[in-house]
This record gives sequence, structure tokens and C-alpha cells, in this order.
Amino acid sequence: EPEVTQTPSHQVTQMGQEVILRCVPISNHLYFYWYRQILGQKVEFLVSFYNNEISEKSEIFDDQFSVERPDGSNFTLKIRSTKLEDSAMYFCASSVTGGSSGNTIYFGEGSWLTVV
Amino acid sequence: GIQVEQSPPDLILQEGANSTLRCNFSDSVNNLQWFHQNPWGQLINLFYIPSGTKQNGRLSATTVATERYSLLYISSSQTTDSGVYFCAGQDNYGQNFVFGPGTRLSVLP
Repeated sequence: EPEVTQTPSHQVTQMGQEVILRCVPISNHLYFYWYRQILGQKVEFLVSFYNNEISEKSEIFDDQFSVERPDGSNFTLKIRSTKLEDSAMYFCASSVTGGSSGNTIYFGEGSWLTVV
Repeated sequence: GIQVEQSPPDLILQEGANSTLRCNFSDSVNNLQWFHQNPWGQLINLFYIPSGTKQNGRLSATTVATERYSLLYISSSQTTDSGVYFCAGQDNYGQNFVFGPGTRLSVLP
């Protein structure tokens, strides 16, 4: 079964450093997403991406964050100047369609970011 | 924005018991899904269930869209069923999937 893959699975970074989390969505999917889950809390939407541009973002997704699809397969999340409170599991996801009926979203295994 | 609520927040079962998890959602939620987050943090798709009933082995789900709730049934629970169960729905007007707070299930041997 096709799956969303994410790298790295775990990253430890110093406060203030930049991190890039990488994702390979399912190949025939057109919509890509990043979600965040702080330890013990709910899964929160960050951003959705379609046709090489952001289609929707939450208030969490401020200027510290950016997304990019640098080639035909990868989808990245960049976090600049990391803060302690950025420590969380970051999930990439993809779906075939956007908001239409029948849209199923699939998640990767997550990238656990620890900021020290 | 749309609202997704789940109950109970925590559930402890003996192996072999059955359970029902509930998800209530507000208007303008569609494409409802159930996920299992295992102890390693992975989000596993269980059901895409915008309406009706589906079954997969010991798990089944029912969504009554007109009354804005969905139920996840786990029968003959096993210790490997432990983890957090989330329901999530998509906003009719966007791509954002909103997650409920989850039900943490612990199945004891």
C-alpha cells in the first residue's frame, strides 16, 4: 500500500537553529499538509499546499514556518530560529483531492523534533 | 470554526472486553475519518466514514451525519489496541482536517 514517508524520524536541534523536515507524499496525491502534535496534546493543522502554493494555513503557521515542493516528489517544512515550544511531532499528510466528498487523508509516521 | 469532540477521554479495559468510542462534530464537517495513534506515535487510518457503517475485523464504525456523530466499536479488545483514537473531519469550506482531542485506550492483559 502506498504511504507517506518522512525524514528524519527524530531530530534534536539547538534553540535558534533552522530545521528542515522532509516528506514524500503518495505519488498520485495532489494536496499536501503539515500537522503538529505537541506531546500529549491534540493534532493541530499547520498548512495545506496545492499546485505549488499554500492553499490554507492556521494561525500557528507564522513567518517562522515555510513550506516548499523543491522537486516532483519532496515536500518540506522549514522552521527558522527554533524555540523550545516548537518541540513536537510533525506529521506530513497527503490526499488526492482537497475538500470534496470522498477525500481521505493519509499521514506519514511523523518527525519528532526536540529543541534544546 | 468547526468543532470535533470525543468521549470518553480515557478508557481502561480488560483484554477481551468491548468498547464504544464517540465522536460528535459540528455542522459543515465532512469526510470524517477515524485514526489510531499507536504507542510509537504513528497515525493509522482506520475508517473513512462520512456516513453509514463499515467493518474491518474487530473494528467497526457508524456515522449518523444528520445527527452529527460517529461511533467506533472495538470488540474483543487486545493489548495491541492500546493507544489514542482520534476522529477528524474536514471543513466543508477548506482543506483543513480538524482533529478531536482523542480517546486514550488502555487494554490490560
